[in-house]
Amino acid sequence: EDQVTQSPEALRLQEGESSSLNCSYTVSGLRGLFWYRQDPGKGPEFLFTLYSAGEEKEKERLKATLTKKESFLHITAPKPEDSATYLCAVQATGRRALTFGSGTRLQVQP
Amino acid sequence: EAQVTQNPRYLITVTGKKLTVTCSQNMNHEYMSWYRQDPGLGLRQIYYSMNVEVTDKGDVPEGYKVSRKEKRNFPLILESPSPNQTSLYFCASSLAPQGRSTEAFFGQGTRLTVV
Repeated sequence: EDQVTQSPEALRLQEGESSSLNCSYTVSGLRGLFWYRQDPGKGPEFLFTLYSAGEEKEKERLKATLTKKESFLHITAPKPEDSATYLCAVQATGRRALTFGSGTRLQVQP
Repeated sequence: EAQVTQNPRYLITVTGKKLTVTCSQNMNHEYMSWYRQDPGLGLRQIYYSMNVEVTDKGDVPEGYKVSRKEKRNFPLILESPSPNQTSLYFCASSLAPQGRSTEAFFGQGTRLTVV
């Protein structure tokens, strides 16, 4: 059974204080790993897709990396507008469904 | 603007009263799906559709029905809602290539309360 575990559940940072969110996964074969951002009352918004170990992608203050067992979302010098819940999801080979983690709720204080 | 539109955004209903939540996408995507989001459980897939007239069960299909008569629309039907179906529901769409998986676009969500 595919599993995705995200940690920490919640994270509070000061503006400018860099940190990383973790996504550990177990799948029979990885077709893709996704990061989404979700603001309160809204649907998840796509950030990144990673396909193979060693791959990295960046967007503004966010950088996602992937190993064979986990993915990290690094946030460099965060701003209050980065406050949101960050969701990790995997798609296993041969499956159409995404398996989501429970998310990390990030709060960045000014 | 590319988007997935769900209606209604909020719905309170009584046990057993049939309801339909609509979902429409304007991106000509083949693949559409429904998820429910519950605290501590994350997003779980209810049903999905690979294309018109092609639907299949996701991880939590009990108590739900779907149909795909047109490519752009994928309604979620609760024939006899029960309180354990109180949840936040999301519709999503994406391309369905043969090779690499692609990102899903999500609607704004429907918050359903069954009393």
